[in-house]
Amino acid sequence: AQSVTQLGSHVSVSEGALVLLRCNYSSSVPPYLFWYVQYPNQGLQLLLKYTSAATLVKGINGFEAEFKKSETSFHLTKPSAHMSDAAEYFCAVSAPTGRRALTFGSGTRLQVQP
Amino acid sequence: SQTIHQWPATLVQPVGSPLSLECTVEGTSNPNLYWYRQAAGRGLQLLFYSVGIGQISSEVPQNLSASRPQDRQFILSSKKLLLSDSGFYLCAWTAGGSYNEQFFGPGTRLTVL
Repeated sequence: AQSVTQLGSHVSVSEGALVLLRCNYSSSVPPYLFWYVQYPNQGLQLLLKYTSAATLVKGINGFEAEFKKSETSFHLTKPSAHMSDAAEYFCAVSAPTGRRALTFGSGTRLQVQP
Repeated sequence: SQTIHQWPATLVQPVGSPLSLECTVEGTSNPNLYWYRQAAGRGLQLLFYSVGIGQISSEVPQNLSASRPQDRQFILSSKKLLLSDSGFYLCAWTAGGSYNEQFFGPGTRLTVL
C-alpha cells in the first residue's frame, strides 16, 4: 500500500522568497513520485516527476524536487516565488506496476504575498 | 498531441436527479482512464478506473457508477444524486508503458442542492 503526507495545508511566502512544500511518502516498492499544480477551478497540471533516474528532478516554472530515499521525502522547492505561483500543489505516488493509479496527498495551498 | 475533454464544465442539480458526466480523450489509444472527486478543501479521491472498454474498477462504495462504452470515452453516472455528491470531478488518463503520470481534464464542478 502507498500513501503520501503533505505537511502544511497552507504555506505563505513573500514574493521573491524560497518556496518549500513538503511531501513524505510510504511505499512497499520503489515508487514513482509526482508533483502537480492546480489553479482555481482547473484540472491538475504535472510539474515534475521522479521515475528512479536522477534524484534531483527539475520541472516547469522553475520548480525542482529532490528524492531522498533515506528520508522517504520528495520536497518541492523554488528559489524565488512569483505571484503567479499561488495555487494548490499536490504530491502523488504510484507503483511501477499494478493498477497504475496515483495516490495523492491532501494538497498544500501556496499563497504569495507582495 | 493528446487532449482530454470533460463536459459539462459546471452543473447544478437537485437532490434525487440523475447525473451523467462525460470524458473523452483524443490523440491516444487504449489509455487507462480515471475518475476522481475533489471535495471542497480536500485532496483527490479515486472513484473509478478503467483499463479497457467495458472494464471498470470501483475504488469506493458510493452512489455513482462508471462506464466505458468506447476506447476513449469514460462516463460517470448516478441514478439519484445526494447532497454529498457535490464536488469537483476530474477525469484523467495515462498511457500504457508510461511512468504512470496522469493527465487531467479541466474538471466538472457539480453542485447538488
